[in-house]
Amino acid sequence: RKEVEQDPGPFNVPEGATVAFNCTYSNSASQSFFWYRQDCRKEPKLLMSVYSSGNEDGRFTAQLNRASQYISLLIRDSKLSDSATYLCVVIPPSGSARQLTFGSGTQLTVLP
Amino acid sequence: GAVVSQHPSWVICKSGTSVKIECRSLDFQATTMFWYRQFPKQSLMLMATSNEGSKATYEQGVEKDKFLINHASLTLSTLTVTSAHPEDSSFYICSAPTGGGGAFFGQGTRLTVV
Repeated sequence: RKEVEQDPGPFNVPEGATVAFNCTYSNSASQSFFWYRQDCRKEPKLLMSVYSSGNEDGRFTAQLNRASQYISLLIRDSKLSDSATYLCVVIPPSGSARQLTFGSGTQLTVLP
Repeated sequence: GAVVSQHPSWVICKSGTSVKIECRSLDFQATTMFWYRQFPKQSLMLMATSNEGSKATYEQGVEKDKFLINHASLTLSTLTVTSAHPEDSSFYICSAPTGGGGAFFGQGTRLTVV
């Protein structure tokens, strides 16, 4: 089983739609969780951290479910500019940034 | 603006030649930097951890003689792909850890070996 698994998509949604991605992780003691966004042929950029209590940043909401070992990202009112690959990132128990473990990414295309 | 600057952003080289990629931290010191490789439609795979003033730590399966890493100063790490072959064509990205457990990434280098 992969350490971090994501549905690769692609998700093709119309502008204004709400879309959600899930990401499962295998190590129950993992400490930190992030969502990164990667545009085609560009470096990943931090979108948001994921906190135990869930957190929201504008149209983006991230949640953590430790019992089921998954994190989610919800995007409301999708914009064309949201089209990208969304990477789930997990840091296992040792806590070192060396061990950022990336999911393979979920591709989102927002259609006009 | 970028906090980690990576050069070049793309390079095409002939098979058998060597390519050097630079990764600089801007306005901060990075005693540790990480080098990743990403093939199309795949996730970032950690290749090695670059440590200022000491030898790099390579992940299992990564040839240290082929991917030479030098971290000569607190703001510069370099990755040299020696005797590059077409199978080395990939997207190489460096990063420096943040205090919060995440990382700042360089812009990436797209290497094509012909």
